[in-house]
Amino acid sequence: GAVVSQHPSRVICKSGTSVKIECRSLDFQATTMFWYRQFPKQSLMLMATSNEGSKATYEQGVEKDKFLINHASLTLSTLTVTSAHPEDSSFYICSAREMGPTGGRLPNEKLFFGSGTQLSVL
Amino acid sequence: RKEVEQDPGPFNVPEGATVAFNCTYSNSASQSFFWYRQDCRKEPKLLMSVYSSGNEDGRFTAQLNRASQYISLLIRDSKLSDSATYLCVVNPPSGGYQKVTFGTGTKLQVIP
Repeated sequence: GAVVSQHPSRVICKSGTSVKIECRSLDFQATTMFWYRQFPKQSLMLMATSNEGSKATYEQGVEKDKFLINHASLTLSTLTVTSAHPEDSSFYICSAREMGPTGGRLPNEKLFFGSGTQLSVL
Repeated sequence: RKEVEQDPGPFNVPEGATVAFNCTYSNSASQSFFWYRQDCRKEPKLLMSVYSSGNEDGRFTAQLNRASQYISLLIRDSKLSDSATYLCVVNPPSGGYQKVTFGTGTKLQVIP
């Protein structure tokens, strides 16, 4: 199956620093990538939808200035947590869906997930 | 009504038991459906797609009921290794950049 690579897998940083997380689709092109956050023992929560070449769409309650998303190419999306604080400590996961040959949606398209980034802010 | 609803569980079942989860969705135009499995602190992994005619993969059977707008997952002969959270995923109608919707997940614990 398709592979989505997410780096880094774990980050420990001081409060106030910024952290960048990368999500790459390795063997397919992804016009759309999704960023999720998951706190311990809770479900995945969609933070934003990242669209190649345009601005990300953020879910209600997610600060766009704090969680900067860039989707500069069809294979790379980045999430930058700016001025991280301890409450931002969480498991961040990206996912991507494959683009059709003509640039559109594929039928029965599946989501492929990165392996996640555990962020710990001290 | 939530877009996708699942019973969070936990479902505690003995080894060898049969267990079933349901997932309801609100958008009748939803295009495709999947079950994912997520282990603790790991990314979700695709378990199986759900087809209208129902489909089976080993001990796992998935079904879709469009009239009642729910999907189900049946696990037979439960193994300890089946312990995980099972997420149902609903794809929106085609067109545009509509987001995929996850259920909150159903936690399964298989007990020796």
